[in-house]
Amino acid sequence: GAVVSQHPSWVICKSGTSVKIECRSLDFQATTMFWYRQFPKQSLMLMATSNEGSKATYEQGVEKDKFLINHASLTLSTLTVTSAHPEDSSFYICSANLGEGLGETQYFGPGTRLLVL
Amino acid sequence: QKEVEQNSGPLSVPEGAIASLNCTYSDRGSQSFFWYRQYSGKSPELIMFIYSNGDKEDGRFTAQLNKASQYVSLLIRDSQPSDSATYLCAVNTGGFKTIFGAGTRLFVKA
Repeated sequence: GAVVSQHPSWVICKSGTSVKIECRSLDFQATTMFWYRQFPKQSLMLMATSNEGSKATYEQGVEKDKFLINHASLTLSTLTVTSAHPEDSSFYICSANLGEGLGETQYFGPGTRLLVL
Repeated sequence: QKEVEQNSGPLSVPEGAIASLNCTYSDRGSQSFFWYRQYSGKSPELIMFIYSNGDKEDGRFTAQLNKASQYVSLLIRDSQPSDSATYLCAVNTGGFKTIFGAGTRLFVKA
């Protein structure tokens, strides 16, 4: 169990276009999902916490108008990178929490590699 | 002070040896502790979690927790070249958010 999928796994786009990345929990329901970004040889950076049925909570320094998050159901969260630029090229990873209390554990999707030309 | 600290490494061990990865955390209220492995170009995958003081074993992996010292470690016995990866320590302080360390790079030499 605890499978999280992401789509697409790779995307190449032109500067100025918008890109949507989907994150799905396949065998469990997730009220909370997370979006991370990781640049080469750097650590995970939490971008935002996605809450089902409510607005996302963004980390300091992350532009909410540029990185639109929608958590429409208990199994799906989407991240839209609007007006993408080359500096947005990165590895975007989502995760979802499974369990409660001490056993609450975060499971990661396989990631989406974005290249903006 | 960072909330979760790990030595960035690289930690290099010969094949068959024990690799010891360490992590300290700042919040004494932390309740759950996790170790993830991340291969280059891939997303993190959960190895194991621990929330009670002492040792927890799973195959070749042993997690050790000492809440008094705010210290958690991961031992990998009989290290294999396939264990070469970045190991992330993560701490949950009781809310839904988990705080990740920057990771320790491990190289297992054949």
